[in-house]
Amino acid sequence: DAGVTQSPTHLIKTRGQQVTLRCSPKSGHDTVSWYQQALGQGPQFIFQYYEEEERQRGNFPDRFSGHQFPNYSSELNVNALLLGDSALYLCASNPTGTGAYEQYFGPGTRLTVT
Amino acid sequence: GDSVTQMEGPVTLSEEAFLTINCTYTATGYPSLFWYVQYPGEGLQLLLKATKADDKGSNKGFEATYRKETTSFHLEKGSVQVSDSAVYFCAPTHRAAGNKLTFGGGTRVLVKP
Repeated sequence: DAGVTQSPTHLIKTRGQQVTLRCSPKSGHDTVSWYQQALGQGPQFIFQYYEEEERQRGNFPDRFSGHQFPNYSSELNVNALLLGDSALYLCASNPTGTGAYEQYFGPGTRLTVT
Repeated sequence: GDSVTQMEGPVTLSEEAFLTINCTYTATGYPSLFWYVQYPGEGLQLLLKATKADDKGSNKGFEATYRKETTSFHLEKGSVQVSDSAVYFCAPTHRAAGNKLTFGGGTRVLVKP
């Protein structure tokens, strides 16, 4: 059973460019969340997708957008990249239900903006 | 919104020493509480969880008890190994909020042989 997978592993972009990160959730999971983890800090919630819609969003600008596909995989898009967007981007998935389900994390995509 | 306060690291220990990482939280209602661990160069892994007051979560020798009266969820391990060197994150979550996690800054633990 594959866990959460993310691609690419590493990415280098220039200021002002756009980037797309991809995530496939763990089998059986239909909810995907994205987090940004700056170096030496804890992850910060960006947004969450369920049923192909953004269900909730953290305190991130509109430059950050996402999408969820019918197979539950997801993309994170960042436009007009800033140096401060350099971080580890983590995708997490969980099933929707009545339980307190933990989120399962992927290995992350390391984005460097130069 | 929710918030977490963790003791600042790094915490440096010798092998077989006792480890305690303090965590206090501020949250509305009755959150579930998690400890996640991040090994160097990796994503986060769930270490243990507790879903209601006085629950004790345990895994791999680690334990934490959900103390609602003190809003705390301190992590302990009786005898650490070099392989326990990692960053540890405490995080509350709410089922009603889609299980979104709120992280603090984490606590880096370094275990020396």
